[in-house]
Order: sequence, then structure tokens, then C-alpha cells
Amino acid sequence: GAGVSQSPSNKVTEKGKDVELRCDPISGHTALYWYRQSLGQGLEFLIYFQGNSAPDKSGLPSDRFSAERTGGSVSTLTIQRTQQEDSAVYLCASSLGATSSYEQYFGPGTRLTVT
Amino acid sequence: GESVGLHLPTLSVQEGDNSIINCAYSNSASDYFIWYKQESGKGPQFIIDIRSNMDKRQGQRVTVLLNKTVKHLSLQIAATQPGDSAVYFCAERGSNYKLTFGKGTLLTVNP
Repeated sequence: GAGVSQSPSNKVTEKGKDVELRCDPISGHTALYWYRQSLGQGLEFLIYFQGNSAPDKSGLPSDRFSAERTGGSVSTLTIQRTQQEDSAVYLCASSLGATSSYEQYFGPGTRLTVT
Repeated sequence: GESVGLHLPTLSVQEGDNSIINCAYSNSASDYFIWYKQESGKGPQFIIDIRSNMDKRQGQRVTVLLNKTVKHLSLQIAATQPGDSAVYFCAERGSNYKLTFGKGTLLTVNP
């Protein structure tokens, strides 16, 4: 079956430009997570969506970062006025639910390079 | 605050040997732990998990051990194969749904 997909796989952008990263979770998964992985580092939690509840945005590093999840499925992570320190791999994961199943399935990630 | 760390950032083993990857955690309230494997250019892949009310759990060629007394987690891989070469992350879940990840251990299997 189809797993979590993300697009684009790679994105190179100039400092100051806005970027949008897309995540398609596994069908039926109500929980969706965004993480950031910097070179040689672990995963840093960014934001979490669960069903129709208000998202947990506590991991977003600045107000330049925002995310939406339309129709309880596809999610878009937007970074405005990108900075070089935003360069990282952005990973999306989904799970059946935060409490019904803990296992998070990850997508391949989007590698963002800010020049 | 919560933190998860690894004792060994790199581990090199011979094919066929057993591998042990260690992880320390600091949040005694964590009730769930996971090991993930991440190959180059891919997202993390679930390997095995364990709840805090267990000490040991076995999967196919992998075993996770949990020592709550010293807040230590380990992943044992039996008969390590070249395909096991990857970065391995431990993660813990505290009082909410969030997972806190360690920085990872790079496992290299030499043929």
C-alpha cells in the first residue's frame, strides 16, 4: 500500500524566499506530524495535527513557520522569508491516532537548501 | 526537561556479529520507547517498540531491553548484515503524544 509521500524531494531556494512543503499521509491516519532533521542531528518536533483538533504548534521555531492540514488529509508546511539556518530535511509522519496507535510512519522527507 | 541521548555515536561491526546500540533517557515519566532505523536518503523506519511496563521485547533478529532503574534502553541486532548499516534512533514518549528523539548512532557493517 501507499506510504507517506512528500514533495518536493529536494528544494533549493534563495534566502528570503518563501517555500511550501507538502505531505500526503497514509489514508485513514488521523494524526500527522512534521519534524526537522538537521545534518547529523536527531529529529526535532515542529507541529502536530490530530483530527479536527487545534494543532500543537509548540515546536515551530519562529513565526516564519506555519502549517495547514486541509480536509484532515494533506498538509503543507510553509516557511516564509527563508534563512540559511532553515536548511534541513523536513520529515512528515502519520499515525492512526495519537493514542490508538503509537507507531509513526515517516515519509522520505524534503531536503531544503537555502542559499 | 526531557532528553534522549546515545552513548556511542558510531559503531562498526563485522558481518555476522551481534550489535548493541545504547540509549539513555532522562524523563522517568516516559511510558513508551521506540527504535527507528534510517537509511541514507530515507525517512526513519520503525523497528521495534517497548512499553515502560516491560523489560524486554523481541522481534525478528532484534531485541530491545529497557532498564528503568538507570533509564537505559538498548537495541540488540543478531547476526548483523550489511543491510543493517544505517543510523539508529531511539525515541521516547512522555506524558503526551510527542516523541523525543536522540541524535542517532551510525552502524556500519563490514563484510
